Amino acid sequence: NAGVTQTPKFQVLKTGQSMTLQCAQDMNHEYMSWYRQDPGMGLRLIHYSVGAGITDQGEVPNGYNVSRSTTEDFPLRLLSAAPSQTSVYFCASSYTQLEGMSYEQYFGPGTRLTVT
Amino acid sequence: AQKVTQAQTEISVVEKEDVTLDCVYETRDTTYYLFWYKQPPSGELVFLIRRNSFDEQNEISGRYSWNFQKSTSSFNFTITASQVVDSAVYFCALSGNNDYKLSFGAGTTVTVRA
Repeated sequence: NAGVTQTPKFQVLKTGQSMTLQCAQDMNHEYMSWYRQDPGMGLRLIHYSVGAGITDQGEVPNGYNVSRSTTEDFPLRLLSAAPSQTSVYFCASSYTQLEGMSYEQYFGPGTRLTVT
Repeated sequence: AQKVTQAQTEISVVEKEDVTLDCVYETRDTTYYLFWYKQPPSGELVFLIRRNSFDEQNEISGRYSWNFQKSTSSFNFTITASQVVDSAVYFCALSGNNDYKLSFGAGTTVTVRA
């Protein structure tokens, strides 16, 4: 199993450009999510999905779009990049919660994005 | 709303010292789940432990141990006889019942000096 993969590892964008961060998992996990990590703030949830065709907003969704057409893939789109979106982005996946149990989330290696 | 507080920003110790990382949480759920993750300098996030709110037993895994106290809403993490390889950022996280979203603390940077 490759686990959770993310591409690219590094990206530099100019303000106003758009791009898509790719995320894929091969563990047949229903739940996938995107977080951003900023110094001193831990990880904050951007968007999440509990299955193909279902997405919802997290804590900091503005400026980002997601879609989930397959179980395996969960791309994150930056519509018009801004310097405030300079961050490290992590994709994660897990099984969905059963009664009495919450599964741990497995994280991808991250994408370091700089917006100038 | 869920909230996780890791008051210690940075901890520096000499190898073989013990180090305890504090984690305090807030939630209105009666069922919830607590996690610890490690982020070494290479940047990936490594899952360490999951604990549900009904299980207050302490847990030990090698040099790692966790102390869960519902009365004080704390889930502290101790590294015994620290090693240089323990140098990392450690995150405490919380999710509620029927809620997949993780709320993370700000993280504690641990530096173990040889």
